[in-house]
Amino acid sequence: QKEVEQNSGPLSVPEGAIASLNCTYSDRGSQSFFWYRQYSGKSPELIMFIYSNGDKEDGRFTAQLNKASQYVSLLIRDSQPSDSATYLCAVFYSGGYQKVTFGTGTKLQVIP
Amino acid sequence: DAGVTQSPTHLIKTRGQQVTLRCSPKSGHDTVSWYQQALGQGPQFIFQYYEEEERQRGNFPDRFSGHQFPNYSSELNVNALLLGDSALYLCASSLVPAGVSYNEQFFGPGTRLTVL
Repeated sequence: QKEVEQNSGPLSVPEGAIASLNCTYSDRGSQSFFWYRQYSGKSPELIMFIYSNGDKEDGRFTAQLNKASQYVSLLIRDSQPSDSATYLCAVFYSGGYQKVTFGTGTKLQVIP
Repeated sequence: DAGVTQSPTHLIKTRGQQVTLRCSPKSGHDTVSWYQQALGQGPQFIFQYYEEEERQRGNFPDRFSGHQFPNYSSELNVNALLLGDSALYLCASSLVPAGVSYNEQFFGPGTRLTVL
């Protein structure tokens, strides 16, 4: 079982729709969770992080965390073509050592 | 406020050669992590440096080594290059204040290494 799993996609949504990106993780001791956006050929760009159960909103983005289900998601409202990118889920664990593990990413395509 | 910088941008080497990649962290950050990202994959953690010491290491062979300098900048060295080492090498910097359990990392633009 992979430590951090994401559907590789591509996930296609029409412009203006809500895009829902999902991520599951295996280590119950994981403490914080990050969503990065990566355009083709570029480095990852931090969008949001969350470490408490529930929702966290920032503009058009909402991160959702459910530690009991070991599940974290990212919702993008009013999707724009410029949101087309690969979205990476990263999980941080600190238990005597610090470890950040990335998923393989979900490719999002927003269709105009 | 300068972000994370890396050099060079691109590099072409042949099998068996050695390479050194460089990273300067974001202003105010003291921790540098290195990642390898193969095409179509997520970044894979190589190692992390803090206070000029390697603190954590991922599942990479000893051919991969590093260094952190007093000004927090860092180098990644790879010896005896293999074709499979071709990837985007990313440097990320962070600052984890005492008592904080998260590790917000900011990535540099990366170095694209091609091994022929």
